[in-house]
Amino acid sequence: NAGVMQNPRHLVRRRGQEARLRCSPMKGHSHVYWYRQLPEEGLKFMVYLQKENIIDESGMPKERFSAEFPKEGPSILRIQQVVRGDSAAYFCASSLSYGTGGFAYEQYFGPGTRLTVT
Amino acid sequence: TQLLEQSPQFLSIQEGENLTVYCNSSSVFSSLQWYRQEPGEGPVLLVTVVTGGEVKKLKRLTFQFGDARKDSSLHITAAQTGDTGLYLCAGDDMRFGAGTRLTVKP
Repeated sequence: NAGVMQNPRHLVRRRGQEARLRCSPMKGHSHVYWYRQLPEEGLKFMVYLQKENIIDESGMPKERFSAEFPKEGPSILRIQQVVRGDSAAYFCASSLSYGTGGFAYEQYFGPGTRLTVT
Repeated sequence: TQLLEQSPQFLSIQEGENLTVYCNSSSVFSSLQWYRQEPGEGPVLLVTVVTGGEVKKLKRLTFQFGDARKDSSLHITAAQTGDTGLYLCAGDDMRFGAGTRLTVKP
């Protein structure tokens, strides 16, 4: 199975706790993207990372949210001091490369992590 | 950021009907991707279009990229209940349109 893996699939946190969402990209992919999706809505871009680098974090809230993609291991999206408004599905995608578009840019998505803040 | 507008937002049709959904922008894209997302799942890539005027067929689905590479359409022939889902387009700036939510009724 060389697909994008995300865990956990479901995560319940109380207000004020921390949420850590993990994403392992497809084998051979070095580009990772995180998106948030509210019920009945589209995907909202959050952050784009390459190994050890954040390339574009323009869609990520400045406070409480952070992301990393270390040299070894999965990409992590971290939400500190969660609030009810953070409840959503968080999707990770990976691609072979990024450049001027085209087939190398095609994103493959994981199954998502559904975060519920109580 | 290049905005992608998808229309219609919702579409409900009977099995066997044909339909077209649209993805429009005022910006030029190097490529556009179409995805389908089913409830509780991640989006699944359907096709990438890269050449202005390009037409790609995937069984009953026909994708077209506008000549100016600013818009794209997805046409489904003889829709089936299994086509139900959220259809999303995405540009090469990693941003998605809001999607068209298609329901095909038996």
